Amino acid sequence: AQTVTQSQPEMSVQEAETVTLSCTYDTSESDYYLFWYKQPPSRQMILVIRQEAYKQQNATENRFSVNFQKAAKSFSLKISDSQLGDAAMYFCAYRSAQGTYKYIFGTGTRLKVLA
Amino acid sequence: NAGVTQTPKFQVLKTGQSMTLQCAQDMNHEYMSWYRQDPGMGLRLIHYSVGAGITDQGEVPNGYNVSRSTTEDFPLRLLSAAPSQTSVYFCASTPGQLNTGELFFGEGSRLTVL
Repeated sequence: AQTVTQSQPEMSVQEAETVTLSCTYDTSESDYYLFWYKQPPSRQMILVIRQEAYKQQNATENRFSVNFQKAAKSFSLKISDSQLGDAAMYFCAYRSAQGTYKYIFGTGTRLKVLA
Repeated sequence: NAGVTQTPKFQVLKTGQSMTLQCAQDMNHEYMSWYRQDPGMGLRLIHYSVGAGITDQGEVPNGYNVSRSTTEDFPLRLLSAAPSQTSVYFCASTPGQLNTGELFFGEGSRLTVL
């Protein structure tokens, strides 16, 4: 069975600095999707970035980028020029690209942004 | 487009009471699911459905029932609420196979069982 591990329950970053959130996963599949979701205090789950496993190029979305290491089964999220609005819980998630629609979520990392 | 709509957003129950959390999506998504979110445990899958008339259990199905009579609706029923079911519940959906893989979430429902 697939698993997703976020080993950092909480992280802090100074405003305008860069922070990296870690995520590792375990799977025997070769084709899958990986996601980072943001959950601000409003509770809404917001997709930050997605990565398809067959693509070697790391995904980027403005100040958000990932470091996808398929062989190491690692999928970290880098937030550049951190802003106060980035303060939230961040969840890493995995989904197989074949058959099942099941998504596996990590336990989350709470990011605090210090002014 | 309303997306995924969950009701109610907040609910307080007494132990043993029953209730239904409603979920509706207007995106014609095949897949719908229910998660519960508890501190330190992330999101755990309760039940899911890959189409009308088809449902299956997730990781933590005990104490919950679902049905999928239409593509749009996927209600979650608590038959006899227990304090262990105090949680935040999310309904989520995604299109069929050929899609970006993104899971679309409702705004969540906070349930407290006394």
